[in-house]
Amino acid sequence: GAGVSQSPSNKVTEKGKDVELRCDPISGHTALYWYRQRLGQGLEFLIYFQGNSAPDKSGLPSDRFSAERTGESVSTLTIQRTQQEDSAVYLCASSLSGSGSYNEQFFGPGTRLTVL
Amino acid sequence: SQKIEQNSEALNIQEGKTATLTCNYTNYSPAYLQWYRQDPGRGPVFLLLIRENEKEKRKERLKVTFDTTLKQSLFHITASQPADSATYLCALDRGPGGYNKLIFGAGTRLAVHP
Repeated sequence: GAGVSQSPSNKVTEKGKDVELRCDPISGHTALYWYRQRLGQGLEFLIYFQGNSAPDKSGLPSDRFSAERTGESVSTLTIQRTQQEDSAVYLCASSLSGSGSYNEQFFGPGTRLTVL
Repeated sequence: SQKIEQNSEALNIQEGKTATLTCNYTNYSPAYLQWYRQDPGRGPVFLLLIRENEKEKRKERLKVTFDTTLKQSLFHITASQPADSATYLCALDRGPGGYNKLIFGAGTRLAVHP
């Protein structure tokens, strides 16, 4: 079956513009996660969804960042008034469930965001 | 704050040898520790999970150890192949009772030379 998909694969934008990044999780996965990966660094947790609610938004770096999820389906990460420090690869992952016994996370290929 | 450390320098080894990667953590008591593989331009791929009450876990040519006293995990690839060349990330999560929020190390790049 299809894995986690993300779009666009690359996004170049000018400083100050808004961007929307999309994630399509694996069908049936109730948990969805967004991470950010700066060049040469590990993954930085941004937000976690269980269904369409977000119990943990603690990783969002500022109020310029927001995310939504429709049901147990697609999620969008929006960055408003982009800054150069927002340049990174944004990764999405999904898992069968976010709680209880461990559930493996399946990652998408990421969206590479470059803010000029 | 929680901190995970992996060797930032690349590990270069000869094909057929055993590669050993290290993950150290502080200010944290994970219920699980996981290892992922990441190839350039791709998202991480899950390899192995080891629980806090397990000392060692094996999967084919992979072996992971977990020492909660030393707060360290070692990841071994035996009979390494050039195809094993990638960045390997360790990650900690909260385990049952919480949710699967992963805290990642920066990764160690492994290069296996023919």
